[in-house]
Amino acid sequence: NAGVMQNPRHLVRRRGQEARLRCSPMKGHSHVYWYRQLPEEGLKFMVYLQKENIIDESGMPKERFSAEFPKEGPSILRIQQVVRGDSAAYFCASSSDRGTEQYFGPGTRLTVT
Amino acid sequence: DQQVKQNSPSLSVQEGRISILNCDYTNSMFDYFLWYKKYPAEGPTFLISISSIKDKNEDGRFTVFLNKSAKHLSLHIVPSQPGDSAVYFCAASARNFNKFYFGSGTKLNVKP
Repeated sequence: NAGVMQNPRHLVRRRGQEARLRCSPMKGHSHVYWYRQLPEEGLKFMVYLQKENIIDESGMPKERFSAEFPKEGPSILRIQQVVRGDSAAYFCASSSDRGTEQYFGPGTRLTVT
Repeated sequence: DQQVKQNSPSLSVQEGRISILNCDYTNSMFDYFLWYKKYPAEGPTFLISISSIKDKNEDGRFTVFLNKSAKHLSLHIVPSQPGDSAVYFCAASARNFNKFYFGSGTKLNVKP
């Protein structure tokens, strides 16, 4: 079952450290999306990438957050100098084309202490 | 700016009865809608979609209805089963958009 894979599933970081979240899309999918879910809230779009390109990063905070989807390897969401407010579940999704249904990974739960 | 709204945070239904989950949207450019189901500690699972050229799409026990004039869609689950207990999200997009907008979710509890 080559679904969307995310690792790690759980990540604990102290304030000021860096967090790196990885996402491998479904086989054959070249479109990757990152979402954040805060407790008791819905999914909030962060960034949309295709291979080697950021297409839309309108949902991503301008500072400390970055994303990439290199030609080889998984997509990476990077959060520098984490703060307590970054604690959330981060979900990655992939699709075969823009605007088609997205398939989600199991998420990475980031806890900042 | 919440472009997709699910106004009922929770819904409780008896096993075997119909579950109706509602979703409203504000952007008339949206032309593609999806429903996802999410269990705790898991990612959302795609359930069913509908394009704006249709007003109904059915897949087994799940039917989605779209009322474009009211900017409203609903998901019907018949008959409801205890395994359907989960959080349901609706999402909307347009063909020339880069992203889906998600509602805040409705937690469905199907009682045995």
